[in-house]
Amino acid sequence: KNQVEQSPQSLIILEGKNCTLQCNYTVSPFSNLRWYKQDTGRGPVSLTIMTFSENTKSNGRYTATLDADTKQSSLHITASQLSDSASYICVVTPYSGGGADGLTFGKGTHLIIQP
Amino acid sequence: GEEVAQTPKHLVRGEGQKAKLYCAPIKGHSYVFWYQQVLKNEFKFLISFQNENVFDETGMPKERFSAKCLPNSPCSLEIQATKLEDSAVYFCASSQLGQGGEAFFGQGTRLTVV
Repeated sequence: KNQVEQSPQSLIILEGKNCTLQCNYTVSPFSNLRWYKQDTGRGPVSLTIMTFSENTKSNGRYTATLDADTKQSSLHITASQLSDSASYICVVTPYSGGGADGLTFGKGTHLIIQP
Repeated sequence: GEEVAQTPKHLVRGEGQKAKLYCAPIKGHSYVFWYQQVLKNEFKFLISFQNENVFDETGMPKERFSAKCLPNSPCSLEIQATKLEDSAVYFCASSQLGQGGEAFFGQGTRLTVV
């Protein structure tokens, strides 16, 4: 069964500090891995998308890494800001030859940035 | 439009009543997905469409759930005879390229069944 596991479940850090969120998956083969940010009461917003051949991708203060051999990804947030408080969800797209199959979601990491 | 528009934002239904949710995908996107988020970040896939055709409906509880994406109309997700466990936030997402492309999510419809 395709699974995506994220850790930690929740994290509290001080404003200005860095943090790293982890994602392990069993989806195979997979088409791409995405990190989404979901603010409370809002829909998920994409931060990065990586195919299996990509190792790292940055979006401002967010840097995602991918190790397709060990099936692990991480999301590193640099110099955190209060607005980074949100849930961060790792989503893996299984490869099935194309089309509109559903994405496999992790349960997310709930990040709280304290002033 | 440039964003996925979901209506209504909130919906309250008595147990056994019907609920209908709407989603207007981003113009030009051929793929539409519906997800149910019950507890924190537990997204459950319901159904996907390629234009007006159902592509994958393996996640749909078919007895009470139905969905349509008709030309020139918002997509809809309908729940007949709602149950308490249907209370959730229902997200719609659209994509230009199916599973390989960026999926843009709407703001969700929070359904509360009382």
